[in-house]
Amino acid sequence: AQSVTQLDSHVSVSEGTPVLLRCNYSSSYSPSLFWYVQHPNKGLQLLLKYTSAATLVKGINGFEAEFKKSETSFHLTKPSAHMSDAAEYFCVVSEWRGNEKLTFGTGTRLTIIP
Amino acid sequence: DAMVIQNPRYQVTQFGKPVTLSCSQTLNHNVMYWYQQKSSQAPKLLFHYYDKDFNNEADTPDNFQSRRPNTSFCFLDIRSPGLGDAAMYLCATSRGILGGANEQYFGPGTRLTVT
Repeated sequence: AQSVTQLDSHVSVSEGTPVLLRCNYSSSYSPSLFWYVQHPNKGLQLLLKYTSAATLVKGINGFEAEFKKSETSFHLTKPSAHMSDAAEYFCVVSEWRGNEKLTFGTGTRLTIIP
Repeated sequence: DAMVIQNPRYQVTQFGKPVTLSCSQTLNHNVMYWYQQKSSQAPKLLFHYYDKDFNNEADTPDNFQSRRPNTSFCFLDIRSPGLGDAAMYLCATSRGILGGANEQYFGPGTRLTVT
């Protein structure tokens, strides 16, 4: 069985400072991992994905995430926060064996302080 | 641009009055999903279609039904909406490649209000 734990329900950072959103996963198989972002009253947009290639994954809008198997982590980072980054972020796991289901974390709300 | 489209974006229905939400896709993906998302929660999978094969989640109420008449369209029918069904309903698609990283592409959602 697969599961995802997002360690912070709410993160606040000042504009221009680094962002770190933490995610730990559990999977019986080689997982695929994703980060999605959701702005208010909008659908989910894929930020980046890990698929067993490079462990450091670069996504859109300057975000990146590093897959660390030994720590079962997939933390999302950005060097410098922008006001437009304020949103809900979901860490998601899917197992490669053809299971079409995604398992979502509970989400982290990112607030940017001007 | 290829995309997932949901109509309407906002839907108001009365308690007990059937309602249908629509989703279409231009991505030609094999799999289509319906999620329910309540305020400040993660999306909850209701069901999905792999081509024409329907897969219902065990805890999806019988009140929720779905149809996929062709590759491009999928509908969510709520037969007798209750106040607890007020939520954002998200449609998503994926390629459905076995063994692949099947990221899902989401539509903008339909916000359902039940009065």
